[in-house]
Amino acid sequence: GAGVSQSPSNKVTEKGKDVELRCDPISGHTALYWYRQSLGQGLEFLIYFQGNSAPDKSGLPSDRFSAERTGGSVSTLTIQRTQQEDSAVYLCASSFNRVETGELFFGEGSRLTVL
Amino acid sequence: AQSVTQLDSQVPVFEEAPVELRCNYSSSVSVYLFWYVQYPNQGLQLLLKYLSGSTLVKGINGFEAEFNKSQTSFHLRKPSVHISDTAEYFCAVSAPSGGSYIPTFGRGTSLIVHP
Repeated sequence: GAGVSQSPSNKVTEKGKDVELRCDPISGHTALYWYRQSLGQGLEFLIYFQGNSAPDKSGLPSDRFSAERTGGSVSTLTIQRTQQEDSAVYLCASSFNRVETGELFFGEGSRLTVL
Repeated sequence: AQSVTQLDSQVPVFEEAPVELRCNYSSSVSVYLFWYVQYPNQGLQLLLKYLSGSTLVKGINGFEAEFNKSQTSFHLRKPSVHISDTAEYFCAVSAPSGGSYIPTFGRGTSLIVHP
């Protein structure tokens, strides 16, 4: 596809379960971002991958959150032992090289509901 | 560290009226500024960006924004809005931090255009 693809689009899970959210960026984009969008809270940065460099994990809210990017392409965000406060829309974005010269291209998001 | 403040969480306006969505930022270094729009059930897409040069930037759908360094603002304007402009608008700032450029987003402004 031409755009950033995220799956699943919707996920309902029970408190305490683990979830995996997938992001397939635009081909050729070396930078990949995960953000979390909660109602009225805007976009909260989670993690940033740039090429083969070590990811910037400074936005991850707890050690229950982790992410990996395999082969410089697809990324998976994993949330372990989900809590109700993890309910949000998780957005993935990708871009060319450095963001200062370009724009972020966003997927439609994965809506996570923790019961 | 950088931050973004969108002063209005919601802006109601009548069709064909002008609108201004306000954005202020703080940063200790030079910044790049962006406005993104999110239509219902869609991902964010870029409206316009300021990287350097002319402080008045024009974007898609008739929107424009003016970078004001002294007031640290980047307000978004449109002289005549349409029903289809109803959406969530996000201001974002990007500045170098530890070699990375990770955009910080505001909380968003919901533009509601009434017929």
